[in-house]
Amino acid sequence: QVQLRQSGAEVKKPGASVNISCKAFGYPFIDYHIHWVRQIPGQGLDWMGIMDPKNGRSTFARSFRDRVTMTSETSTTTVYMELRGLTSDDTALYFCARDPPDHDAFDVWGQGTMVTVS
Amino acid sequence: DIVMTQSPDSLAVPLGERATITCRSSQNVLQISSRKNYVAWYQQKPGQPPRLLFTWASSRESGVPARFHGSGSGTYFTLTLSSLQAEDVAVYYCQQFYSRPWTFGQGTRVEVK
Repeated sequence: QVQLRQSGAEVKKPGASVNISCKAFGYPFIDYHIHWVRQIPGQGLDWMGIMDPKNGRSTFARSFRDRVTMTSETSTTTVYMELRGLTSDDTALYFCARDPPDHDAFDVWGQGTMVTVS
Repeated sequence: DIVMTQSPDSLAVPLGERATITCRSSQNVLQISSRKNYVAWYQQKPGQPPRLLFTWASSRESGVPARFHGSGSGTYFTLTLSSLQAEDVAVYYCQQFYSRPWTFGQGTRVEVK
C-alpha cells in the first residue's frame, strides 16, 4: 500500500531545531519528489520545499530558505526535514507529500507531524 | 510568486444543493504547448491531511465521486459540488503547480446549512 509515514509529535524550546522523518512505502522511492507543507492550526497550507530523492537536491520557499534542510536516505526510503531556530510562530502541523512523475500535484500525503514550540 | 485567491472563504449549502468555489490565479497557469492548466484541488477534513481531488484543473482522481467537478482555464477556476452530501463538509484548497514556489489558495470552508 502506498503511504508516507511521518515521525511523531514534537515539543521544542524556542531556538531549538526539529527533525521530522517521512518514510515511504509501496512505490519506487527515487521516482517521486517529496514536498513539505506547513499548516498552522486553523490556517491554510504553506509550501516549504521540495526534495528529489534521486539526486538529493532540494529547493526551498523563500521564507524558510535560511533555516531548513531536507535530506533523503535511499536505503531506508526516508526523507528528513530539519527546521532550525524555532519560534512560537513555527508551532504547526508539518506534512510530507509526494508528487508523481506525470504531474506536480501532491497525490499522497503523510499523516502530519505536530510541532509545538513553547 | 503566483497568488491563488479563493472565494468565498466559507459557504453553507443545504444538503443536496450545489456548492461552487472559485479560484483565481495572479498569473496564467495554462501551458500553451500542452493545453494543460496546472491547477489542483484538494479536500481537507478535520484531523486529516489534504486529499487530492483534481489535477490539470478538471482531471478527477480515482475514487473521487462524480458529483465533484473541476473546470476553468487560464486564471479562473471553479470546483463544483453538484449535490452536497454530509461527508463533503471540509475545507477545499486550490493549488498551482505551474511554477515554483507551489502556492495554495487560502481555503474555502464548506458546511451544511
